[in-house]
Amino acid sequence: AQSVAQPEDQVNVAEGNPLTVKCTYSVSGNPYLFWYVQYPNRGLQFLLKYITGDNLVKGSYGFEAEFNKSQTSFHLKKPSALVSDSALYFCAVRLTYGNNRLAFGKGNQVVVIP
Amino acid sequence: DTAVSQTPKYLVTQMGNDKSIKCEQNLGHDTMYWYKQDSKKFLKIMFSYNNKELIINETVPNRFSPKSPDKAHLNLHINSLELGDSAVYFCASSQVVRDSLFFGQGTRLTVV
Repeated sequence: AQSVAQPEDQVNVAEGNPLTVKCTYSVSGNPYLFWYVQYPNRGLQFLLKYITGDNLVKGSYGFEAEFNKSQTSFHLKKPSALVSDSALYFCAVRLTYGNNRLAFGKGNQVVVIP
Repeated sequence: DTAVSQTPKYLVTQMGNDKSIKCEQNLGHDTMYWYKQDSKKFLKIMFSYNNKELIINETVPNRFSPKSPDKAHLNLHINSLELGDSAVYFCASSQVVRDSLFFGQGTRLTVV
């Protein structure tokens, strides 16, 4: 079965500094990888995805993520964090074949300090 | 226009009651889902329907019964509500397997 791990509970970063949210995955085949963001009292919003092709994926709001097959990682990054980036971030993985079960990580709370 | 809409947004009810949550998507997607988010924000899939056919049915008590009258709607009915059912329930939809999910705003269910 597929799974993801988000090792940190909370990431604190000063406004203007680079932001990284870590994610590692475990699947028995090739993965589709996703990042979602959840603002307070809202549903999840799609940020970006890796399907195939370039390992560096660019998404919404200036975020990007790099697929690293050898390290089984898909870390989310933003060069310069904004206070409005403070939210809960979820990494997710699904297999490229078979059922369409999407497994989410536990989520990382990002706090951007003004 | 809201892409995935759920009603109600908040639901407070007593133990033992039966309640329903409705979900509709206007994106033309073939697949719809129900997810449960617990108090620790952990998300777990409950059900998935593709073109009105149940394709994912996780280990969920049979008090929970999804119903899909057409591919744009996926409702969740819960019988004999328990305190542990208190959570936020999210409906979502996607077009194909590799596509991203579009989520509704969630229904916060509180069982007292």
